[in-house]
Amino acid sequence: GQQVMQIPQYQHVQEGEDFTTYCNSSTTLSNIQWYKQRPGGHPVFLIQLVKSGEVKKQKRLTFQFGEAKKNSSLHITATQTTDVGTYFCAGAWRDSNYQLIWGAGTKLIIKP
Amino acid sequence: KAGVTQTPRYLIKTRGQQVTLSCSPISGHRSVSWYQQTPGQGLQFLFEYFSETQRNKGNFPGRFSGRQFSNSRSEMNVSTLELGDSALYLCASSLAQGVGELFFGEGSRLTVL
Repeated sequence: GQQVMQIPQYQHVQEGEDFTTYCNSSTTLSNIQWYKQRPGGHPVFLIQLVKSGEVKKQKRLTFQFGEAKKNSSLHITATQTTDVGTYFCAGAWRDSNYQLIWGAGTKLIIKP
Repeated sequence: KAGVTQTPRYLIKTRGQQVTLSCSPISGHRSVSWYQQTPGQGLQFLFEYFSETQRNKGNFPGRFSGRQFSNSRSEMNVSTLELGDSALYLCASSLAQGVGELFFGEGSRLTVL
């Protein structure tokens, strides 16, 4: 079945450094969504990417969808303590009835 | 408008018992999905309901079941509980199947002793 591979599992950064997480699928996605889960919280929707090569920005967050629609990334510039949490991608395929398949998540940890 | 409401928030059961969790979606949302989240396992999809019909099902044993009512509220049931069923169970609603973002509830944290 379809899978979404997300790396890295953890990323430790100093406050002010950048953070990037990557998601890959072996087959072409219909769309991909990104969520953030704060410690002790529930996932919260960040964005959905649909078009090939799409790039969207939300303040310090930049989301990209690959040209082949098989990979996606989330980049955070100059991390802040409020960015701490786990970032998940979730991909959907038309031939899987658009059921979302989730990546394992990348936990962003700010070094003290 | 009110968000997704899950009850109970916390519960403790013993092995062999059964449990029923409830989810009230956002008003107007007709699709409800259920997920199991354990440390290190991410979000594991259980099932999705739309218009009272199960549309998608994850790879869980038959002990896990669910249903959706005509008002879009959903319940999931786990029978013959095992220690490994201890997890956070999250419900998410969306306008329709496969459409747009998911809105998650706070979750029901189940501990099986």
